Amino acid sequence: NAGVMQNPRHLVRRRGQEARLRCSPVKGHSHVYWYRQLPEEGLKFMVYLQKENIIDESGMPKERFSAEFPKEGPSILRIQQVVRGDSAAYFCASGDKPNTGELFFGEGSRLTVL
Amino acid sequence: DQQVKQNSPSLSVQEGRISILNCDYTNSMFDYFLWYKKYPAEGPTFLISISSIKDKNEDGRFTVFLNKSAKHLSLHIVPSQPGDSAVYFCAAPKDYGGSQGNLIFGKGTKLSVKP
Repeated sequence: NAGVMQNPRHLVRRRGQEARLRCSPVKGHSHVYWYRQLPEEGLKFMVYLQKENIIDESGMPKERFSAEFPKEGPSILRIQQVVRGDSAAYFCASGDKPNTGELFFGEGSRLTVL
Repeated sequence: DQQVKQNSPSLSVQEGRISILNCDYTNSMFDYFLWYKKYPAEGPTFLISISSIKDKNEDGRFTVFLNKSAKHLSLHIVPSQPGDSAVYFCAAPKDYGGSQGNLIFGKGTKLSVKP
């Protein structure tokens, strides 16, 4: 009865390195969402994916950030050339119904950029 | 421009009493609202929702009230229990009528229920 699984839970990177965050949705869910939470802020939508398709990336920064949800394997959020401002908690969520906001969230990946 | 606002960062309530968490929104096109609960070091968990065609939705100890004219909703927890201590987020889907996983969240209210 696995929920949304995210790894790593904690990731430390130096400025300029790459960060890769992985997310396995609830079994059977075909909709994956990535959110970011900065300190003392609410969650901010980044991207919505279905298998092999990016449906809505309106919340993604224009540069350095990319996301994918391949046919096989987990969804990956990739941040290239990280900067200190990328330090945040990144949450993945999945759902089985596109027209509902009732999402299942993972425990998050906390990225710290030194 | 914050479209969903939770103006109280924190709330402290005695066990057994009522907790009232408030949320205001600016976009009159929002037609669905949700509350999520979050414990430290965990992801948010869906709690309760309400459609704009209703003014109240109840689920056990949790009731959400919607006042569309005031663009205001509130979450009532009765009776409050120590296990309810968490951060509560109000949210609304950005895309009314379409995919509703793109949620706009408030900043959250940290509820502390004291035994």
